[in-house]
Amino acid sequence: DQQVKQNSPSLSVQEGRISILNCDYTNSMFDYFLWYKKYPAEGPTFLISISSIKDKNEDGRFTVFLNKSAKHLSLHIVPSQPGDSAVYFCAARGTGANSKLTFGKGITLSVRP
Amino acid sequence: EAGVTQFPSHSVIEKGQTVTLRCDPISGHDNLYWYRRVMGKEIKFLLHFVKESKQDESGMPNNRFLAERTGGTYSTLKVQPAELEDSGVYFCASSQALAAGELFFGEGSRLTVL
Repeated sequence: DQQVKQNSPSLSVQEGRISILNCDYTNSMFDYFLWYKKYPAEGPTFLISISSIKDKNEDGRFTVFLNKSAKHLSLHIVPSQPGDSAVYFCAARGTGANSKLTFGKGITLSVRP
Repeated sequence: EAGVTQFPSHSVIEKGQTVTLRCDPISGHDNLYWYRRVMGKEIKFLLHFVKESKQDESGMPNNRFLAERTGGTYSTLKVQPAELEDSGVYFCASSQALAAGELFFGEGSRLTVL
């Protein structure tokens, strides 16, 4: 039973436009959400995170939005650049000692020059 | 500062053989995690060490998998005997604080069982 769902396996956008990557979760005990970026043959690298007490967090071109009532978050990248082409994983974590991350399947983003 | 390092980067073995994967976390990171990604699937949690103790091993698939972290430094993950379904990329990650948001991942060890 997947607790973090990234239902779109891939997304293709034009350079300079906005990329919107979506993620849904089912576990209401999750209180911290992260996005990781992964290039081929490399490990995932942390991109941006958001706590459940917030609904938005921004870092440069990257913004994460959280809608707790809908159990939905999204990552916006604007403007998109060819170097953003990678697999993006949504991850969630519960509170306290249960610090393991639960990941989605990932979305492959392709930014066309 | 060195990141999380994993060895080997790729291992090809036959069904029934044994493989040992090694992970060296970032120095000073008490928390060490093992994850696995089977092709096209999600990155799945295997287990979590705090120093040398197993905090959570709920993701370990079965008793063919054995993880150790002697002395609270590097960790090994042994698969014995390996089965075809064990193929995938095994990632190690570490973090400093228990409640830290982000994990630092290694590049992964790709295991192919023939």
